[in-house]
Amino acid sequence: DAGVIQSPRHEVTEMGQEVTLRCKPISGHDYLFWYRQTMMRGLELLIYFNNNVPIDDSGMPEDRFSAKMPNASFSTLKIQPSEPRDSAVYFCASITATDRDYGNTIYFGEGSWLTVV
Amino acid sequence: DAKTTQPNSMESNEEEPVHLPCNHSTISGTDYIHWYRQLPSQGPEYVIHGLTSNVNNRMASLAIAEDRKSSTLILHRATLRDAAVYYCILRETGFGNEKLTFGTGTRLTIIP
Repeated sequence: DAGVIQSPRHEVTEMGQEVTLRCKPISGHDYLFWYRQTMMRGLELLIYFNNNVPIDDSGMPEDRFSAKMPNASFSTLKIQPSEPRDSAVYFCASITATDRDYGNTIYFGEGSWLTVV
Repeated sequence: DAKTTQPNSMESNEEEPVHLPCNHSTISGTDYIHWYRQLPSQGPEYVIHGLTSNVNNRMASLAIAEDRKSSTLILHRATLRDAAVYYCILRETGFGNEKLTFGTGTRLTIIP
């Protein structure tokens, strides 16, 4: 398996523009997580899904952020409109808990590096 | 949410053991303790995990206090490649309701 795949790897956009980040989890994984990392706040959990259903979106900073998971192999994180303070690295991660082994490794993608100017 | 507390930074000499502490005083009985590390410009990667007993793997050892309120990641012989931010994470579990919350992490510097 190729691991968790994120795109784009790098994006520079102007303030006010819509940004869409994409994630393909590892096949068979039933949990998907979106994290944001900044120097000031570290790694923050934004939202996570179980079997494509959002379970907890309390970390989503505001209404400008939205996330969807239309099927088990694809998720998007959208920012509209984008602002300079959204500049960060956005990580997607996936795990499986179907066998109830809570020691399962959490796999992270390489991140999407977003700069809003 | 159960939280972890780690020192912001630590230094160690190359080829010496490193002990990275983590406090998790509000851990619940079903929380697993995971350690991940993040190399520069990369996503976090798995190091080790445990529940109650001490654990060893090829990368490190995990020592868990008897009351489970703290744990220590042990790198037996640090190399320059071990320079990274190390995160102690509690994997909160529950049917259909898992959450992975990262602490601030410890930035480990290895001195040649």
